[in-house]
Amino acid sequence: DAKTTQPTSMDCAEGRAANLPCNHSTISGNEYVYWYRQIHSQGPQYIIHGLKNNETNEMASLIITEDRKSSTLILPHATLRDTAVYYCIAGSWGAQKLVFGQGTRLTINP
Amino acid sequence: DTEVTQTPKHLVMGMTNKKSLKCEQHMGHRAMYWYKQKAKKPPELMFVYSYEKLSINESVPSRFSPECPNSSLLNLHLHALQPEDSALYLCASSQGGSREAGELFFGEGSRLTVL
Repeated sequence: DAKTTQPTSMDCAEGRAANLPCNHSTISGNEYVYWYRQIHSQGPQYIIHGLKNNETNEMASLIITEDRKSSTLILPHATLRDTAVYYCIAGSWGAQKLVFGQGTRLTINP
Repeated sequence: DTEVTQTPKHLVMGMTNKKSLKCEQHMGHRAMYWYKQKAKKPPELMFVYSYEKLSINESVPSRFSPECPNSSLLNLHLHALQPEDSALYLCASSQGGSREAGELFFGEGSRLTVL
């Protein structure tokens, strides 16, 4: 699986869009980009995944660059409950071995 | 029901004890996972069961023994653990097979302390 690189921490004001970057320059053609988050003292929660096209669901949007070497997770209107560690993972379809990196600790400030 | 239920939530055990962690899901998922998470670190994969058979063992010491009695249940048997094994143990499940999409559903975890 490709290695991913994320900033260690980020801050965002409540109500603003939170944009979390992820670098996956060695991603292969059959690897998807997955995003999970882990709120303190809870298990990780799946957010979204994508291969080439941008994706949107009720939680977030995922923007993948054309060369697929990086992506951005967007939380459009961040709330205090979005404070969490966000993990970007690259893995192939059907992969059972999703490797979590260090993640980004996102803090939403009032 | 989209829950993965783990019991117990907290466990304290001595190094000579034998205990078990339990995980249950009723989503019809055919893949189940054990992850270990130390404080301020990301989850680390330990074991994967696919269709009730062990498919991945990430070179985990034999003092951890997984068991999958049926497609809804996953156990982790613990014996002769060390203090450094103290961690949050997370269970997860996914659809499995050709429908696998990397969407794992995690439980809240069992926090283990080894004295």
